[in-house]
This record gives sequence, C-alpha cells and structure tokens, in this order.
Amino acid sequence: SQTIHQWPATLVQPVGSPLSLECTVEGTSNPNLYWYRQAAGRGLQLLFYSVGIGQISSEVPQNLSASRPQDRQFILSSKKLLLSDSGFYLCASATGNNQPQHFGDGTRLSIL
Amino acid sequence: QQQVKQSPQSLIVQKGGISIINCAYENTAFDYFPWYQQFPGKGPALLIAIRPDVSEKKEGRFTISFNKSAKQFSLHIMDSQPGDSATYFCAASNQGGSEKLVFGKGTKLTVNP
Repeated sequence: SQTIHQWPATLVQPVGSPLSLECTVEGTSNPNLYWYRQAAGRGLQLLFYSVGIGQISSEVPQNLSASRPQDRQFILSSKKLLLSDSGFYLCASATGNNQPQHFGDGTRLSIL
Repeated sequence: QQQVKQSPQSLIVQKGGISIINCAYENTAFDYFPWYQQFPGKGPALLIAIRPDVSEKKEGRFTISFNKSAKQFSLHIMDSQPGDSATYFCAASNQGGSEKLVFGKGTKLTVNP
C-alpha cells in the first residue's frame, strides 16, 4: 500500500519569506497527487492536482504554486508568504483513476 | 453546484450510542462518496466509501446510507466508543475518486465515556 510523507510537520515563517513544502509517495508509481489546505474549523480546499510529471492544475488563484519534478514528488511553493497562507497543508495521493485518495499527516504552517 | 453540505457541525454522543452525520450534494455527476476520519494533528484517513449503485454499505460499526433521489448520504456509527472521537468529513467526486474531491466542512464528534 502507498505511504505519503510530508515534511516538515510544523513550520513558522515570517510574512514575505519563501516557502517550500515537500510531499513524497512510496508504494506506487504514477500516482495522481493533490495539495489541499485546511483552515481551522473548515473543510479541505483543493489547491493543486497533478496526473503526471510536470502536469499541474491549479484550482484556486493564489499566492502559491506547485511542481512535480519527479513521479512521486510533489512540491508546494511560494515566493512571498502572506498572513492568509497560514493553515494545515495536506498532500494526497491516488494510485490511479477510480482509486480513492489517501492523505499524508500534513504540515501546519504559521505565518507571523 | 460543487458544494457538499454537512451537518451537524458538532455532535456529542454517549458511549454505546449511535452517531449520525448527514451530507447533501447538488451535482448529479458525483459518483463517489467517501467519509474520512481525522484525529487532531493528523491527516484525514479514509473510513468508508460508497458509489451510487448501492443504497447502503456497512463495514464493522460504520454504515453509509445513500439516497440518490434526495441527493443525500449519511454516516452511522453504531455502538460509538470514546476512540471514535474525531472530526468526520464527507466528500464527493466524479470519476470514482481520483478526480477532485469536494469536502463538507466537517463534524466534530465527541463520545463521552
């Protein structure tokens, strides 16, 4: 079965600083990969998804970008963080079409 | 409409009782309806899922009931235990789940001993 690794687990960053969050997947190849953000007391909002290397679809216009440099690596980035970027960022993976999404344990990002 | 509406926002149940969480959707193209369980500081874990060709699916103490005509589905937790205390999210997608999941806002369940 697949395992989704996310790091760091927690991160505190100043406003205006850059960001790089990494997600790697083990136990499968060519997965569909997703980045979600979860705000306190709210559901999960899909930010980006990818069906293959270099293929990124953005769901919400924002201060963030995503890249998939390798088959099982998905990176969430920002050049300049805003206060509103605070939240719990979750990476998910699906092994293929018609397969369920499984989540990593997330990165809690606090912007000061 | 891409929304999934979930209720209640919070739920308190006594140990041994039945917990019921409800969700409603608008998009008739949705064909996959999972429930996720999330403990504090952890990512959501897939609990159980249903497709619209069946009206009910049971796995242990967890049951999904699905009403296609009403565009509603619900999670029932039988014999609720304190270890079930968590936040539960319903979701919906088309193309079997690998497509974009639309999540409800979550229900915080507390099971008192």
